[in-house]
Amino acid sequence: DAGVIQSPRHEVTEMGQEVTLRCKPISGHNSLFWYRQTMMRGLELLIYFNNNVPIDDSGMPEDRFSAKMPNASFSTLKIQPSEPRDSAVYFCASSPLATGENTEAFFGQGTRLTVV
Amino acid sequence: AQKVTQAQTEISVVEKEDVTLDCVYETRDTTYYLFWYKQPPSGELVFLIRRNSFDEQNEISGRYSWNFQKSTSSFNFTITASQVVDSAVYFCALTLWNQGGKLIFGQGTELSVKP
Repeated sequence: DAGVIQSPRHEVTEMGQEVTLRCKPISGHNSLFWYRQTMMRGLELLIYFNNNVPIDDSGMPEDRFSAKMPNASFSTLKIQPSEPRDSAVYFCASSPLATGENTEAFFGQGTRLTVV
Repeated sequence: AQKVTQAQTEISVVEKEDVTLDCVYETRDTTYYLFWYKQPPSGELVFLIRRNSFDEQNEISGRYSWNFQKSTSSFNFTITASQVVDSAVYFCALTLWNQGGKLIFGQGTELSVKP
């Protein structure tokens, strides 16, 4: 199993540009999570999907952020326009979660975003 | 609201020492899950253990052991005979049974094991 795959691993962009982060979850997993890690705020959940449907996006910082999951094997997190304070490591995670159950989430290697 | 506190920001030990990482959580729910993740210098997050709120049995896996005590809302992690490869940031996390697995993380404890 290839695990959760994120791309790109590193992204450097100029303020105001659009940034798209990509995630391929583990095959068969039906829950997908986007987390952001910063020194100031630690690891925080941005949004999660269950069966491709967004369930909780309360962690999305503002309208500049959007996430989609068009099918079970792909998700994107888009920032438009990007700002320097968006610089962080963005993690995607998936879990074989079924309704009423819980299990561990498997994380990708993260995308380190730097906005200059 | 739920909260996870890892009061130790950094710990430094010498190889072969035992070390305990503390985790205290807050929740009013009776059904929840606790986790530990390891983040090595390479940056990925590696799952170590999951424990549900109804299982207070301590667990041992090789040099790792976990002590779950509901009475003190703690889920501490001990590494016995630490090794340099244990150097990493360790995160404790909490999720409720009905929150779809979304994790609330502590701030992490950076462990440095020196040879």
